[in-house]
Amino acid sequence: QKEVEQNSGPLSVPEGAIASLNCTYSDRVSQSFFWYRQYSGKSPELIMSIYSNGDKEDGRFTAQLNKASQYVSLLIRDSQPSDSATYLCAVITGANSKLTFGKGITLSVRP
Amino acid sequence: DAGITQSPRHKVTETGTPVTLRCHQTENHRYMYWYRQDPGHGLRLIHYSYGVKDTDKGEVSDGYSVSRSKTEDFLLTLESATSSQTSVYFCAISEGRGGVLGEQFFGPGTRLTVL
Repeated sequence: QKEVEQNSGPLSVPEGAIASLNCTYSDRVSQSFFWYRQYSGKSPELIMSIYSNGDKEDGRFTAQLNKASQYVSLLIRDSQPSDSATYLCAVITGANSKLTFGKGITLSVRP
Repeated sequence: DAGITQSPRHKVTETGTPVTLRCHQTENHRYMYWYRQDPGHGLRLIHYSYGVKDTDKGEVSDGYSVSRSKTEDFLLTLESATSSQTSVYFCAISEGRGGVLGEQFFGPGTRLTVL
């Protein structure tokens, strides 16, 4: 069973701080990694994808991938109350390339 | 929502009745997926399609069937609904660029309640 694990949370940070969200995966051959944001009552929205080791930056968001340690993380700089949501880590796993999701972590940014 | 609609958006039904949910896309993407989302379980794949009339099972396919007769439509059917199928159902699409099932984009969801 290919697994994707995220810290159970919730995570609370003050406005302006850096929020760090972590994810580990079990399938060593995974090649594609994604972060989705889901507001309460809404559908998941893709915010970052990363395919190579290292960092990928997009505005206030940075995704970090370490395939040797099998983890992927998402940093949110200058956190805003509008960043309050559930963040889902997702990994392409297995030969049939299905997307497996972690259970998500809820982030709360305090004004 | 990347040109994806789901219908109905909300439905209440009774145990034992058949239910069909529809996903419609205007993006001409090859891949389409049905997920369910439940507290404590996250998003779980029910079935997916990699082309017209080409479908395969996901991790929670028991009690569900799918059909795809046109590129733009992917139907999910609960033949005889049970209370355990009360959930929020999401459709997703992917272009599958370069043969890799990459980024998936989600529809608005259908909230199904089985009494």
